[in-house]
Amino acid sequence: DTAVSQTPKYLVTQMGNDKSIKCEQNLGHDTMYWYKQDSKKFLKIMFSYNNKELIINETVPNRFSPKSPDKAHLNLHINSLELGDSAVYFCASSSRQGNSPLHFGNGTRLTVT
Amino acid sequence: GNSVTQMEGPVTLSEEAFLTINCTYTATGYPSLFWYVQYPGEGLQLLLKATKADDKGSNKGFEATYRKETTSFHLEKGSVQVSDSAVYFCAIGGGTDKLIFGTGTRLQVFP
Repeated sequence: DTAVSQTPKYLVTQMGNDKSIKCEQNLGHDTMYWYKQDSKKFLKIMFSYNNKELIINETVPNRFSPKSPDKAHLNLHINSLELGDSAVYFCASSSRQGNSPLHFGNGTRLTVT
Repeated sequence: GNSVTQMEGPVTLSEEAFLTINCTYTATGYPSLFWYVQYPGEGLQLLLKATKADDKGSNKGFEATYRKETTSFHLEKGSVQVSDSAVYFCAIGGGTDKLIFGTGTRLQVFP
């Protein structure tokens, strides 16, 4: 009964490959997010979707493309992977009600070799 | 825009010591303030929050007060345990505003 689940947990791949990370939430939330956490634990928002509509798109290379087939899912596809993409990627969700907290998945550790 | 600045770590304490992790903020409007905790190998979890000035958030023995006069939201605990070892993130925003996180402070508690 995991609230926010993302797969895979670990992803090791070579430069130039294309990969996807999947995220699902069963909390009934309207808003979902992707965050990137670097090796120093710095956490930066990448994207936010509300009811399948993109509402936040930070300065992220267009090799990263989020896709939301429905409001319970937000997948992240990455083309032409680079060494600098190595990080932990976290999916999160929240209600749109004011001051509602984020619920995070356990992260996907991406290693690009 | 909104931002938070938190003290650099790691913070190293003995069990039962008093903990303070400093967090200061800059804000436009009246955002909420949050503390999140990240245990090894896990995602972030909400620890506590405060939605307006002078509010005190508390959970699991941790407390933080939203202080407008000093623009601070320091995290405190009277007696830490080994199990409190984690990375703590101060954050500002929430609701329809995106959440902005601080850089995180690693806490290490030794028996």
